[in-house]
Parts: sequence; structure tokens; C-alpha cells
Amino acid sequence: GAVVSQHPSWVICKSGTSVKIECRSLDFQATTMFWYRQFPKQSLMLMATSNEGSKATYEQGVEKDKFLINHASLTLSTLTVTSAHPEDSSFYICSAVKGAYEQYFGPGTRLTVT
Amino acid sequence: QKEVEQDPGPLSVPEGAIVSLNCTYSNSAFQYFMWYRQYSRKGPELLMYTYSSGNKEDGRFTAQVDKSSKYISLFIRDSQPSDSATYLCAMSLQGGSEKLVFGKGTKLTVNP
Repeated sequence: GAVVSQHPSWVICKSGTSVKIECRSLDFQATTMFWYRQFPKQSLMLMATSNEGSKATYEQGVEKDKFLINHASLTLSTLTVTSAHPEDSSFYICSAVKGAYEQYFGPGTRLTVT
Repeated sequence: QKEVEQDPGPLSVPEGAIVSLNCTYSNSAFQYFMWYRQYSRKGPELLMYTYSSGNKEDGRFTAQVDKSSKYISLFIRDSQPSDSATYLCAMSLQGGSEKLVFGKGTKLTVNP
């Protein structure tokens, strides 16, 4: 297997503030990482693809200026939710690609915007 | 029609039962099929990975893919209370390293 971590695991912030979530591959290098969002009792929805050293590719309907993604190294990608609003409250999960076939997920970050 | 359909359950079975979980999909271009297990408030954990049609077995788990019917299954033999979780099917066009399309997940409870 492989280990992917996320930090923080849970964050509460006030409306209008920004929050940064980190995703790290601990024991392998990941050229590609993905960011998903999961609402209660819903499936994971892909938000964006993050490639090391290049701009992220966002899925249709995801605001790139609101969800800033930076993949600064082969083991770290960050997602910044800017000017967060209550509707941004969700479970954010990253995944990291190892090798050619396998995608490993982090434990998720629960964001609550008050 | 959603790309991937999965009955959310919940599904409750006694310990030792054989569990059958299923997904259907609409995009015939999907080639890679995966099953993930997700415990409450945790990230998904990869269980099985299958390419194209056929069966794959790993311990108590068997994954089946029928591309002609656009139907995939996961069977769990001798189910244990520790198998209680949400099971998500996922699929992609070009591999497990590509972006995945997930089903909603089926919540399974195995009762001791």
C-alpha cells in the first residue's frame, strides 16, 4: 500500500475567510494528485487534477479562483478555499497516484464554514 | 442518467453471509473498474482493481466485470462485522491513475 495524509483533519472557519488544506504522499512520489469533494450521503465528486509543476485542471462547474490548487512538489499538493461560505462546508479528500495504476486516498478534511 | 449508478442501501446481513454489491454504468468507454471501502469520516481504501471484463479474486473478495451489460459486482464471502462500511465502485477510461467516476456507495452492516 501507500500512505497519503491530509492536514488538518477538521477545520472550522468563519464566512469570508480562507482555509488551506494540505495533501501529502508520505512514502512515494506523486506527479498527479486529485481533489474530491464529498457531501453527506453523496459520492465523491472530482474537483480538480493537480500536476506537479503545472497548473491544475478544474472540472466543469468548479471555480478555479475560489479553489486554489498548488502542487509545489512531488509529495505535496494544497487546496485553498478562498472567501469560504457555508455552502463550501463539505468533506474534502485528496488522492495521489502511485505508479501507473493505483490511486491512494487521504483520510479527508472536514470543513465547516460558520 | 448518471454515469455510474449504485444502490445506496443500506444493506444489513448476518455475519458469515455472502454479500453482493453492484454498479451499473452508461459509458461503454470505461475500461478500468475499482472497488473502494470507506469507513465513516475516512478516505476510501482501494480493495480491488480490474481491467476490462472478467473476474478477480483476492481472499474473501471477488470482483466481476461484465462490459457487455455494463455491470460490475463485488462479492464478499464469509462477511465479518469489520466489513461494515460503505463500498464505492469507481471506474475510469484509461486507468486507475486517471480521474475516477464514483458511484454513490452502498452502506453495508454485518451483524455479529
